[in-house]
Amino acid sequence: DQQVKQNSPSLSVQEGRISILNCDYTNSMFDYFLWYKKYPAEGPTFLISISSIKDKNEDGRFTVFLNKSAKHLSLHIVPSQPGDSAVYFCAASEGSSNTGKLIFGQGTTLQVKP
Amino acid sequence: GAVVSQHPSWVICKSGTSVKIECRSLDFQATTMFWYRQFPKQSLMLMATSNEGSKATYEQGVEKDKFLINHASLTLSTLTVTSAHPEDSSFYICSARDSPFGTVKNIQYFGAGTRLSVL
Repeated sequence: DQQVKQNSPSLSVQEGRISILNCDYTNSMFDYFLWYKKYPAEGPTFLISISSIKDKNEDGRFTVFLNKSAKHLSLHIVPSQPGDSAVYFCAASEGSSNTGKLIFGQGTTLQVKP
Repeated sequence: GAVVSQHPSWVICKSGTSVKIECRSLDFQATTMFWYRQFPKQSLMLMATSNEGSKATYEQGVEKDKFLINHASLTLSTLTVTSAHPEDSSFYICSARDSPFGTVKNIQYFGAGTRLSVL
């Protein structure tokens, strides 16, 4: 049972435009969400996170939006750069479980074309 | 962000041998580290949670006698793949949590991963 889903396996965007990566979740107990970027044969790199008490968090070119009622979050990258080409994973955790586990989506491969 | 070092980055071994992978948190103390496995074009699959000074907690379907985890200090966790076989070939990644339990904030920082190839 996939609790965190990234339904788009891939996305292609022109350099300078906005990239929007989407993520849906099913567990209403999730209260912290993260986005990671991953290059082939490397470990994921933390990008940005958001707690469930917020609906938006911004860090430079990266903004994460959270819609709790829809159980949906998205990552916006503006403007997109070729170096942003990578696999992006969203992840969620349930603070009350106290295990520290992160549940990952399947990933979306972003290609930014020059 | 916090730095997690994983070693080796790539290992090739013969079937039946054991391989040890180290994961170190370089600039913070991590009471909890995590071990993941990633198959090609798939997501990260959590194998086990490694707690300093206590036994690891394994996910369902992960053989604890096959994948031995030791978390002897606040900065080091090791994963030993015992009697490795070709089906154990995969990309193994560790992570460390850099925030205290009891808080909502839960960020894991990842090592660079280890590519294991069993011949």
